[in-house]
Amino acid sequence: DTEVTQTPKHLVMGMTNKKSLKCEQHMGHRAMYWYKQKAKKPPELMFVYSYEKLSINESVPSRFSPECPNSSLLNLHLHALQPEDSALYLCASSQDSGQNPNEKLFFGSGTQLSVL
Amino acid sequence: AQKITQTQPGMFVQEKEAVTLDCTYDTSDPSYGLFWYKQPSSGEMIFLIYQGSYDQQNATEGRYSLNFQKARKSANLVISASQLGDSAMYFCAMREGGSNYKLTFGKGTLLTVNP
Repeated sequence: DTEVTQTPKHLVMGMTNKKSLKCEQHMGHRAMYWYKQKAKKPPELMFVYSYEKLSINESVPSRFSPECPNSSLLNLHLHALQPEDSALYLCASSQDSGQNPNEKLFFGSGTQLSVL
Repeated sequence: AQKITQTQPGMFVQEKEAVTLDCTYDTSDPSYGLFWYKQPSSGEMIFLIYQGSYDQQNATEGRYSLNFQKARKSANLVISASQLGDSAMYFCAMREGGSNYKLTFGKGTLLTVNP
């Protein structure tokens, strides 16, 4: 099973709403990632969890709050978003074998988020 | 400075023909990995092929091969016998040994396969 599952696939929210994006993998990977991708642009790294601890926060605004409840699950809590936060949010996972440049990332299908 | 450069915003190819997507990279780290991902309109990023900086031979995965020219710092993707389903955005990416999990992507090339 090389699947990373993201839910929901589409989400529309108002600027005052609170919502969460979910990501799940069962490949035994210990590193999990959130990426943001605007239309026609490459993905941009937001957060990395390694062994359930936040390892990287790429100066992401606090209205995005990640959570890693266990090694298989990754959430992204959203609150008071702005219209410019509308994008495709991709989750990924990798084995996490240290600083190994050979490590492949496996991505989910993403959540297409629209903020009104 | 850009670490990954994809100079072809869009490419067209006839079905059953081969196509090469260009990628050049810039790093001073002797240990790095180069990756190609495919992103169809559905959004999922699909891993295609990988080349390590110390690999002596060019990587191949089915119809995909990576033309790795280390001295030129290029890692071009070759797709043989193109299929309609190959129409997608293709991203070249690099991970450096000291990068602490960061995968740097190029801007992508949109490939269209014509029947």
